[in-house]
Amino acid sequence: GAVVSQHPSRVICKSGTSVKIECRSLDFQATTMFWYRQFPKQSLMLMATSNEGSKATYEQGVEKDKFLINHASLTLSTLTVTSAHPEDSSFYICSASTQGHYGYTFGSGTRLTVV
Amino acid sequence: AQSVTQPDIHITVSEGASLELRCNYSYGATPYLFWYVQSPGQGLQLLLKYFSGDTLVQGIKGFEAEFKRSQSSFNLRKPSVHWSDAAEYFCAVGLRGSQGNLIFGKGTKLSVKP
Repeated sequence: GAVVSQHPSRVICKSGTSVKIECRSLDFQATTMFWYRQFPKQSLMLMATSNEGSKATYEQGVEKDKFLINHASLTLSTLTVTSAHPEDSSFYICSASTQGHYGYTFGSGTRLTVV
Repeated sequence: AQSVTQPDIHITVSEGASLELRCNYSYGATPYLFWYVQSPGQGLQLLLKYFSGDTLVQGIKGFEAEFKRSQSSFNLRKPSVHWSDAAEYFCAVGLRGSQGNLIFGKGTKLSVKP
């Protein structure tokens, strides 16, 4: 149980375009989803926390207008990287939690390359 | 400040040798504790977790970890390393009562010599 699915696994986009990444909880209703970013050869850093039906909470230094997060249902959260630039190239990964299930289950991640 | 420390950036062991990866945390109360492994270009695989109870935790792939409250540590061990264990290992903690986000250490890269 507690499976989190993330799509796409890889995406290459042109600078200035927007990219949407989906995170789904497949077998439970996730009241909270978390988005992390991992730069090459670095650790994972929490970007934002999204609660179903409310605005996301962003960590310090994360631009909320660049990284739009929507958590419209209990099984889906999306991260949209707007006006992407090469410095946004990174590995993005999500996790999900709910009452009785801590957020240690991660999706498979999305490798974004902006050219 | 709350933190997770993995003091070893890179460790090299011979195949068949034992392994111990260190993890220390700095929190006011005992957090939830996790170890993940990440192969190059891949996502995270959960090796094991500690919530409460027995302080020696068994995980997948022959890994185990021991929680030592007095040392604020959660070291990962494996008695005999295989070449396929070469990867990046991350220790992570989660605060009890939080929404469920994790805080990661910087990782330890494991290389395995034939």
